Amino acid sequence: GAVVSQHPSRVICKSGTSVKIECRSLDFQATTMFWYRQFPKQSLMLMATSNEGSKATYEQGVEKDKFLINHASLTLSTLTVTSAHPEDSSFYICSARNPGSSLGSIYFGEGSWLTVV
Amino acid sequence: QQQVKQSPQSLIVQKGGISIINCAYENTAFDYFPWYQQFPGKGPALLIAIRPDVSEKKEGRFTISFNKSAKQFSLHIMDSQPGDSATYFCAARSEGSRLTFGEGTQLTVNP
Repeated sequence: GAVVSQHPSRVICKSGTSVKIECRSLDFQATTMFWYRQFPKQSLMLMATSNEGSKATYEQGVEKDKFLINHASLTLSTLTVTSAHPEDSSFYICSARNPGSSLGSIYFGEGSWLTVV
Repeated sequence: QQQVKQSPQSLIVQKGGISIINCAYENTAFDYFPWYQQFPGKGPALLIAIRPDVSEKKEGRFTISFNKSAKQFSLHIMDSQPGDSATYFCAARSEGSRLTFGEGTQLTVNP
């Protein structure tokens, strides 16, 4: 299947600092990528839709100034958590739709664990 | 209308048995129904997916059954193995490729 890669897989940062997470589609071009957040033993919560070359669309309740999304190319989207606080600690996952697949299948990255201390 | 309801929340099956997870949806505009398998600390992996104009799709030990009139779909895992123990999520795709997820089912397959 198609591969979506995230980096870093784990990151620890100090409270008040910013951290960037990258999401790459390795073998297809993705005009749209998605960022999710997942708490332990819960389902995935969509945070925002990342559109190549334009502004991201944020879900209700997600602070766009805190979670900066940039989709500068057809294979790369980044999520920057600004002024991180311990409550931002979570598992962040990106996904991308492979337009070349017969079903337009959506693939997820491996996820990034963020711990804010 | 955007909800996808999944059941059961947890499921315990003996090795070799059949695991069945069910999902129901309301939005008839959903056009793609995938199932994802997630192991602890990992991202969801696409397992199998179906379009609403197909009633059944089988890939190896995994089968999706789809009932369009009832707005329900299910995942069947035949000959369940301990390695299948994971959390399974159903999902439905709407306009703009947005996925709506079910609540997840934690499957345990006992040896």
